[in-house]
Amino acid sequence: KAGVTQTPRYLIKTRGQQVTLSCSPISGHRSVSWYQQTPGQGLQFLFEYFSETQRNKGNFPGRFSGRQFSNSRSEMNVSTLELGDSALYLCASSHRGGPLGANVLTFGAGSRLTVL
Amino acid sequence: GIQVEQSPPDLILQEGANSTLRCNFSDSVNNLQWFHQNPWGQLINLFYIPSGTKQNGRLSATTVATERYSLLYISSSQTTDSGVYFCAACTSGTYKYIFGTGTRLKVLA
Repeated sequence: KAGVTQTPRYLIKTRGQQVTLSCSPISGHRSVSWYQQTPGQGLQFLFEYFSETQRNKGNFPGRFSGRQFSNSRSEMNVSTLELGDSALYLCASSHRGGPLGANVLTFGAGSRLTVL
Repeated sequence: GIQVEQSPPDLILQEGANSTLRCNFSDSVNNLQWFHQNPWGQLINLFYIPSGTKQNGRLSATTVATERYSLLYISSSQTTDSGVYFCAACTSGTYKYIFGTGTRLKVLA
């Protein structure tokens, strides 16, 4: 079956602009998580959605937001871009059971954002 | 929150050598995964291993949950094993994985 699909793969923006990234999970997966990877901070959790509800959010400013649609596809948005937002943004999906169920993440190829 | 530490940070091996990568975590976890990040940035899932031992070809992993560590073994390493290996852990009742800082492995021909 198809894996996790992220679009666009590469993009270049300038400071002050906004960007929207998309993630289509593996069919049947209802949980989508987003992570930011930078050389300085490593891999950091942004947020997680399940059945259109954000269940957890990382320590990022309000400029970072996301949503999930009824078909489990997710988008994340970054407004008023800063140079430090340049990063690889990774999306993962999971077929998660209950709160104590196994949560096995499968990642997409990522969206590499460069802010000039 | 939980802290995840990996060692060593860097590792250089000759092709054919064996290696052990370590992951320590500061709290009880109910989910733990090992990933390999390829040169294009994609994270490839190697093992989901909150406890016990698993093997997949030349790779194997062991998690001792009571002692809060996990080990990834790579045997007969190949140049294609090069890249960064990440351990990530998730505690009960949360929905976010915390990643370690990774082990950068270079296998020389």
